[in-house]
Amino acid sequence: QSALTQPTSVSGSPGQSITISCTGTGSDVGGYNFVSWFQKHPGKAPKLIIYEVINRPSGVSSRFSGSKSGNTASLTISGLQAEDEADYYCSSYTTSSTFEFGGGTRLTVL
Amino acid sequence: QVQLRESGPGLVRPSETLSLSCSVSDDSITSYYWNWFRQPPGKSLEWIGYIFYTGITNYHPSFRSRVTISIDSSKTHFSLSLTSVTAADTAVYYCVRSLWRDNPQVFQYWGQGTLVSVSS
Repeated sequence: QSALTQPTSVSGSPGQSITISCTGTGSDVGGYNFVSWFQKHPGKAPKLIIYEVINRPSGVSSRFSGSKSGNTASLTISGLQAEDEADYYCSSYTTSSTFEFGGGTRLTVL
Repeated sequence: QVQLRESGPGLVRPSETLSLSCSVSDDSITSYYWNWFRQPPGKSLEWIGYIFYTGITNYHPSFRSRVTISIDSSKTHFSLSLTSVTAADTAVYYCVRSLWRDNPQVFQYWGQGTLVSVSS
């Protein structure tokens, strides 16, 4: 069982927006602004799309945005595109100086 | 930008030691944090641990008794050693470099991953 809780799946139609939540505790998500989000396509390496809650690495589309409230972080994807269909994982730094992941969310673009 | 590539046996026998190497395309191994992750089939990602270029290591408690991460003296590779493996260690293993030189919290550069199966 993963330390952080994500919905198993979400779906949306092209052009719509979706939000994926990542719930932890005050010892991880709520305690630090070191939440990252990764996109993973089958057979590919994970790709960092959000770091430190809200920051996008160079080259990542502005359609991806992150936020946090209390012990829950969120990833929002706006203007859904077919290529966004993938698995999404959140991670957080913890008070134990380790990193934990969520169980992953499968995004289906209808 | 830096490129990482994992290499090592694709099959390891139960109770033996899993050993992987990660080649680094530039000389940045003398800086930054160097990590190993894995993803078992059908499961989520797991952070195994990191080594800082100074040699300081930090491991996830789940692996701490079995894992060693080291930097090769050539300064072109770093390695993962995981002892006493079982079928539960079957996974795709990734080597990863941090984004910042002095901050381990952002995992920017990933290798392509290598599948290691544990089976007799």
